[in-house]
Amino acid sequence: GQQLNQSPQSMFIQEGEDVSMNCTSSSIFNTWLWYKQEPGEGPVLLIALYKAGELTSNGRLTAQFGITRKDSFLNISASIPSDVGIYFCAGQIQGAQKLVFGQGTRLTINP
Amino acid sequence: GAGVSQSPSNKVTEKGKDVELRCDPISGHTALYWYRQSLGQGLEFLIYFQGNSAPDKSGLPSDRFSAERTGGSVSTLTIQRTQQEDSAVYLCASSLEFGAYEQYFGPGTRLTVT
Repeated sequence: GQQLNQSPQSMFIQEGEDVSMNCTSSSIFNTWLWYKQEPGEGPVLLIALYKAGELTSNGRLTAQFGITRKDSFLNISASIPSDVGIYFCAGQIQGAQKLVFGQGTRLTINP
Repeated sequence: GAGVSQSPSNKVTEKGKDVELRCDPISGHTALYWYRQSLGQGLEFLIYFQGNSAPDKSGLPSDRFSAERTGGSVSTLTIQRTQQEDSAVYLCASSLEFGAYEQYFGPGTRLTVT
């Protein structure tokens, strides 16, 4: 099946640090989405990207749609305890109808 | 309602029994999706509905899995003769229309097969 490689798989950081995670693929994507999932909840949409090179912010979160259309990154600035959770990238591959999801990045923050 | 709702939130069943999981999408959303999430894993696509029809059933793991949607709204995912490997969280999502890739998820149903 289609593969999305998301890294890192997990991160352990101190409160206040910046965070960066990314997703890459060998396929070209038309859309990139970033979700956050907390325990016992469904994923919540954070940012949606629709054009190559697009850079979009949502508060302390910033995501970019890579120029090659094969990657995307998510940055979180000045992390706070409520940022804890699992972050998923998702994308719609060119020519396909479905979203494919990365395996997630588990973020843990030490106060 | 304000968001996607799913019921039950938790289901424990014995191996071999049938289960039905329900999803209520956001009002007005025509596209509905089912995913499965095993412990610590990403999301595995199962099936989507555009209106009441399901054009792509290729993601269903076996013929024990089926889904239907009636009235363009509520959907049920049925697993027959459950097996232990069916244990997972089953997530439902909806979007305004198929091709609008901003999918909104429900809280999921945690299924445990003993």
